[in-house]
Amino acid sequence: DAKTTQPTSMDCAEGRAANLPCNHSTISGNEYVYWYRQIHSQGPQYIIHGLKNNETNEMASLIITEDRKSSTLILPHATLRDTAVYYCISATNTGNQFYFGTGTSLTVIP
Amino acid sequence: GAVVSQHPSRVICKSGTSVKIECRSLDFQATTMFWYRQFPKKSLMLMATSNEGSKATYEQGVEKDKFLINHASLTLSTLTVTSAHPEDSSFYICSARGGASNQPQHFGDGTRLSIL
Repeated sequence: DAKTTQPTSMDCAEGRAANLPCNHSTISGNEYVYWYRQIHSQGPQYIIHGLKNNETNEMASLIITEDRKSSTLILPHATLRDTAVYYCISATNTGNQFYFGTGTSLTVIP
Repeated sequence: GAVVSQHPSRVICKSGTSVKIECRSLDFQATTMFWYRQFPKKSLMLMATSNEGSKATYEQGVEKDKFLINHASLTLSTLTVTSAHPEDSSFYICSARGGASNQPQHFGDGTRLSIL
């Protein structure tokens, strides 16, 4: 079963920052938080992951709360091509089995 | 980097036939590969975990004799849907990760299987 919960859907204006929250209140000490997104009829695309420190790459930033019970994915300047379903997953870095939740359907509005 | 190729992208076949789907890691060695299925408007469901050179570990409720998984090399895993029936029609997606800890999974673009 999925160990994360996310809002079902969100809208964001083009050019604005999109902030996608994720709750993982039962995360254990050796589990990472991974973010992926899926555009219709394609495989999920890796975005970013982290353990406890905030992370940033060319796609997004990941902010993890100090207690690690929640995180936020930030797309700094959303474009229409960022419209997708975004999945937050917690998994160990060894077995690494992913149990997907329902994700957040992000719609970027012109 | 980290490209995973899945083939075929779409297949349509008659009920009762077996269908093989290939998953290849093109630019890294995948010690672990995973197979998922996804129904329309639903999330991905993990079917099995496959480590190179060993038998796959199937999730509860997934029939291992129905969905045969082979992971004979560090760059190739195959999923064979045996004696396929219309209810097996789905979107099948593989993923792969390298051996180093902390590596994320990288996904293929999926195979849409339609059984008539």
